[in-house]
Amino acid sequence: ELKVEQNPLFLSMQEGKNYTIYCNYSTTSDRLYWYRQDPGKSLESLFVLLSNGAVKQEGRLMASLDTKARLSTLHITAAVHDLSATYFCAVDTGGSQGNLIFGKGTKLSVKP
Amino acid sequence: NAGVTQTPKFQVLKTGQSMTLQCAQDMNHNSMYWYRQDPGMGLRLIYYSASEGTTDKGEVPNGYNVSRLNKREFSLRLESAAPSQTSVYFCASTLLGAAPDQPQHFGDGTRLSIL
Repeated sequence: ELKVEQNPLFLSMQEGKNYTIYCNYSTTSDRLYWYRQDPGKSLESLFVLLSNGAVKQEGRLMASLDTKARLSTLHITAAVHDLSATYFCAVDTGGSQGNLIFGKGTKLSVKP
Repeated sequence: NAGVTQTPKFQVLKTGQSMTLQCAQDMNHNSMYWYRQDPGMGLRLIYYSASEGTTDKGEVPNGYNVSRLNKREFSLRLESAAPSQTSVYFCASTLLGAAPDQPQHFGDGTRLSIL
């Protein structure tokens, strides 16, 4: 059974600082997704990572995937208040149905 | 483009009542999903429909039924609501079998309280 673990679950940062969110998963998978959710809102797709060594960047966020270690990271560079949100990783279960198992989410708060 | 549309946005039910949550997508996606989100639990898959005419159970299907009405619409029904079904329900869709980098697209959610 695929399990997905994110850490930390809560993260309070100061503006301008760097930090990394970790996503570990328990069985082999070839697709990993990162989503952002603002309070009371829907989930917004940030990154899709498909292969070992994949790295994607958008603004102050960079995501990477190490399939051998079953680990993905979401790195935040020079955080700003607008990045405050909950970030979820989700791992494809490997069947043909596109089913995802989500981590519990990391609630990020960026303070001035 | 509306994307994934869910109705209603909010609903309060009494224990034992029934209701249907509606979901429609206008992106010509073939696969649709229903999740529930509870505090500290992430999202958990209730049911999914990999293609029109098929539905299957996900991780937490008990107490729910679904109908894939056509390619656009996928509804979730609570036959006899229980307080444990108080949650935020999200519908999502994607295009399976196309480019491998297609994420699931989510609706705005239905906030359901059962008293």
